[in-house]
Amino acid sequence: GNSVTQMEGPVTLSEEAFLTINCTYTATGYPSLFWYVQYPGEGLQLLLKATKADDKGSNKGFEATYRKETTSFHLEKGSVQVSDSAVYFCALSDYGGATNKLIFGTGTLLAVQP
Amino acid sequence: GAVVSQHPSWVICKSGTSVKIECRSLDFQATTMFWYRQFPKQSLMLMATSNEGSKATYEQGVEKDKFLINHASLTLSTLTVTSAHPEDSSFYICSAVPGAPGVNTEAFFGQGTRLTVV
Repeated sequence: GNSVTQMEGPVTLSEEAFLTINCTYTATGYPSLFWYVQYPGEGLQLLLKATKADDKGSNKGFEATYRKETTSFHLEKGSVQVSDSAVYFCALSDYGGATNKLIFGTGTLLAVQP
Repeated sequence: GAVVSQHPSWVICKSGTSVKIECRSLDFQATTMFWYRQFPKQSLMLMATSNEGSKATYEQGVEKDKFLINHASLTLSTLTVTSAHPEDSSFYICSAVPGAPGVNTEAFFGQGTRLTVV
C-alpha cells in the first residue's frame, strides 16, 4: 500500500541555518504530496503542496519539489527562524489536490535555537 | 482561514471507562470530517470518515464498536473511545472539509487530543 517515510527528529538548528527534512513515498499511480506544519498547541496547517511530478510547492520561504524519479518530496528552507520551530509532517493523497484522506509520515520535530 | 476546534486537548482516564472527543468546525459547515490517530514513533493513520447524518466509514483494522463516531450536525463530530485500555493511549486528531469534498478541497485540522489510559 501507499506509505510515507520521513526523517526522524528532532532536528536542532541555529537561527539562519539551512533546513532539509527528507521525505520519500511509496505509491501506485500519481499521488499529490503535501507538507503540513503543527505549531505548539495548534492544529496541523497546510504548508505547501504539489500535485504532479516536477511541481514545486512553496510558502513562507519553504520549498519542496515533487521528484517522481526518486519518489521524494524533501522540505527545504534557506534560513530558518526561531518561529519555524514546530512539527512537520509529509503526506500524500490519492485524491487529486484534495486533503480529504491523507497518508502521513511520522512527523519531524524542528527546534531552532537563537 | 477556517478553524477547527478539538476538545479536550488532553485527557487521562481509567482503564474500562469511556472518553468522548469533540471536533467542531467553528466558522464553516462540514459534511465530512476525518479522524486520525498517531501512536508513538508511528505515522498519523486515518481511522474513519465521519459523514453528517449517516454512519461513519471505518478503515481496515479499526473496531467500529470501540470507536463510536457521531456526526449529528454540520459543525460537530464526536469520537467516543469505549471501554478504553492502555493500548488505546494515543494522539487523536480530526479534520473537517468545508462543503462537499471534491478534488481540490482542503481539509482543516484540529489541534489534537492526547489520550492516556491508566
